[in-house]
Amino acid sequence: GAGVSQTPSNKVTEKGKYVELRCDPISGHTALYWYRQSLGQGPEFLIYFQGTGAADDSGLPNDRFFAVRPEGSVSTLKIQRTERGDSAVYLCASSFVATGELFFGEGSRLTVL
Amino acid sequence: GNSVTQMEGPVTLSEEAFLTINCTYTATGYPSLFWYVQYPGEGLQLLLKATKADDKGSNKGFEATYRKETTSFHLEKGSVQVSDSAVYFCALPLIQGAQKLVFGQGTRLTINP
Repeated sequence: GAGVSQTPSNKVTEKGKYVELRCDPISGHTALYWYRQSLGQGPEFLIYFQGTGAADDSGLPNDRFFAVRPEGSVSTLKIQRTERGDSAVYLCASSFVATGELFFGEGSRLTVL
Repeated sequence: GNSVTQMEGPVTLSEEAFLTINCTYTATGYPSLFWYVQYPGEGLQLLLKATKADDKGSNKGFEATYRKETTSFHLEKGSVQVSDSAVYFCALPLIQGAQKLVFGQGTRLTINP
């Protein structure tokens, strides 16, 4: 596709369960970002990949959160032992390096009951 | 790190009214500044940017001028349309040269016909 694709668009899970959120960036974009957006707030940075490696994971809130990008394209954000406070919209973005223009997907809305 | 403070919303205007959404920032050096927009049901997209002091970014009739004296990057449009209804986010790099952006809380704009 032409844009950043995120799946699922909605995920409802129970407290304590494991969740995976997928991001398919724009073809050719080497940089990939995950952000989290809570209701009424702006996006908050989680992690940034340059190619296959996590160049900056300083925004991950704790060790329950992990993200991979094994082939330098698709990325998966993994959340273990989900908590109600993890409920938010998880946004993925991609870009060419150093332009500063991020192209965002529509997000995955996670609800933890 | 750098930070941004954005005008609280929501903002409701009539069609053809003049729009200003305030954004002020705190930063080391002179980072690029951005306005992103999120239309209903869509992902965030870049609206405009300015890369140095006194630059004016413009797009779709919107303008914002990078003012270092007042550390501001206010968004303006002379005559808004119903289709401008969206959430607007001011953003800048968290630290100089970094890829990750810090976003304001967003301003929800509703334009009535």
